[in-house]
Amino acid sequence: AQSVAQPEDQVNVAEGNPLTVKCTYSVSGNPYLFWYVQYPNRGLQFLLKYITGDNLVKGSYGFEAEFNKSQTSFHLKKPSALVSDSALYFCAVRDRRFNKFYFGSGTKLNVKP
Amino acid sequence: GAGVSQSPSNKVTEKGKDVELRCDPISGHTALYWYRQSLGQGLEFLIYFQGNSAPDKSGLPSDRFSAERTGGSVSTLTIQRTQQEDSAVYLCASILQGLNTEAFFGQGTRLTVV
Repeated sequence: AQSVAQPEDQVNVAEGNPLTVKCTYSVSGNPYLFWYVQYPNRGLQFLLKYITGDNLVKGSYGFEAEFNKSQTSFHLKKPSALVSDSALYFCAVRDRRFNKFYFGSGTKLNVKP
Repeated sequence: GAGVSQSPSNKVTEKGKDVELRCDPISGHTALYWYRQSLGQGLEFLIYFQGNSAPDKSGLPSDRFSAERTGGSVSTLTIQRTQQEDSAVYLCASILQGLNTEAFFGQGTRLTVV
């Protein structure tokens, strides 16, 4: 079965420190990979995507993500966290055959001053 | 329109009543998804429309839930005989099918069943 896993329900980090939000997937083929962010009482906002090419992709608000094909992972990273980065983060995978989206369960990021 | 529009933004209904939630996707987007999100939780897939193909209804939790997409554009999610466990935020997303693009989400409809 196709699935996306975000193993951490919550990640706590101090402002100014680097952050990582983990994502692994089990989707056939070479899927497209995405990260979304959701602020309280808002819809999901697109952050970045991996389609092909360089394994490190850069996105909005200083976020980047690293694709690792052998580990089927797509971890979200930021070199220096901000309090305003506190939100719910979702990893998503879109399979190329049926173009269906699969979402992870979400990771709540808490950045403390 | 410029983005995905959902209406109403909030809906309070009495248990047992029927509700209709509307989604206006981005013009030209051929695929449309409905998801349900309980408070602060993950996204639960409900239904997926892709062009003129039969919709993927595998995520609908019961036969009280149904959805249609008229003219390949606007979609309506209907919940009949609402129950308190139906209370959640219902999110709609549209995609320009066939390209490696991201899904664009609406702001959601917060449904409260009292």
